[in-house]
Parts: sequence; C-alpha cells; structure tokens
Amino acid sequence: LAKTTQPISMDSYEGQEVNITCSHNNIATNDYITWYQQFPSQGPRFIIQGYKTKVTNEVASLFIPADRKSSTLSLPRVSLSDTAVYYCLVGAFGGGFKTIFGAGTRLFVKA
Amino acid sequence: EAGVVQSPRYKIIEKKQPVAFWCNPISGHNTLYWYRQNLGQGPELLIRYENEEAVDDSQLPKDRFSAERLKGVDSTLKIQPAELGDSAVYLCASSLGGNNEKLFFGSGTQLSVL
Repeated sequence: LAKTTQPISMDSYEGQEVNITCSHNNIATNDYITWYQQFPSQGPRFIIQGYKTKVTNEVASLFIPADRKSSTLSLPRVSLSDTAVYYCLVGAFGGGFKTIFGAGTRLFVKA
Repeated sequence: EAGVVQSPRYKIIEKKQPVAFWCNPISGHNTLYWYRQNLGQGPELLIRYENEEAVDDSQLPKDRFSAERLKGVDSTLKIQPAELGDSAVYLCASSLGGNNEKLFFGSGTQLSVL
C-alpha cells in the first residue's frame, strides 16, 4: 500500500486559494488518488479523485504530475466553512481497495 | 436520497460492559465499512463487507470485537467487554463497491468508556 505524507496543518485567509500537497512516492500503477474532507463531529466526505494530470469539479481541483509521486489539492477562494481536515488516500480499485486514512491536514481559514 | 444512518449518536458505558453500534447504509450499496477514529487521528479500518461477507477483517480485534451484516444490508458492530482504550468515534461507510470506491460516511457513534 502506498504511504502518503501531508502537512499536519495549514493556515489561510478567506478568499485565498489553498494548495495542499500530498507525497506518495511508492504509488503503484493501478493506484488512484482520492481526497476527503472532514468537519468536526462528522464523517469524512469525498471531495475529488484522479489518476493523472488534472481533475476539476465544483469543489476543488486535483493536480497530478506525470510521475504521480505527489498530488496537490487546490481549493479556490476558501471561506471560513472550509476549515476542516483534508485526507489524501492512495489505492487501487477492485480486489480490495484498502481505504486507509493518514492523519490528514488540518486547514484553518481565518477571517 | 438518505445517507448512511448510524445509531446511537453517543454512548457512555463503564468498562467491561458490552456495547453495540448499528449502521444502515445507502440503499443499493453493496460494500460496507466500519472505521474507528481516535481523537486527532484519521479513521482506521476495522472491517469491510462485500454484501454479507466480511472480506477484510484483518484490523478487527477479534477477542472483543465482532460484527455482522445480516442479509447484506444493515450492520452491527459489537464490543464485549469494552475497555478504556476503546473510547473513540466509530464510523460506518458504504459504497457501490466494485470499481467505484467513493465512500459515503455516517456521522458516527462517539463512545466513551469510563
């Protein structure tokens, strides 16, 4: 299983773009990269998933370089409500995708 | 569409007592997960079901933890007897399974063992 490394915490201000980078040096060919968001007293919520290059949805963008050894979650124009813990997961589908969470990145958005 | 439903929301028990958590996954989701989350840490997988079969229970402490998923729908996670170190949030999640591993989580059950 590919191990992931993320910053423990990050601070930002409202309206700024936030980029959270995740390192996964031993990612396997079949592995996808998935990000979840967790608010206090709630379960994690799926944000975005990708395999290579760039993926964008209504919430965030995910940038994956060609070597796939890292990925960056980009949150455009954050608000106070984006204060949460963000988890980067790496794994393959089928045959037992082991959805293993690390400690995540605690993002604090200030006014 | 209803999300993953868990109950109870909170549970306080004394050590050595039994406790059970219940989970109702999203309709049609074949895969069900139980996670444990300690304060300040990410969720830790305990067990994963494909329909009614437990396909990954390698992280489940089998001396005191048990789980079942009758008829491949609802699931129950039990601890007997509970220990102080079992205090945590127990999360249930479900997914369509197969090549779609987007997980949907419930709000969890916060267990306090005194």
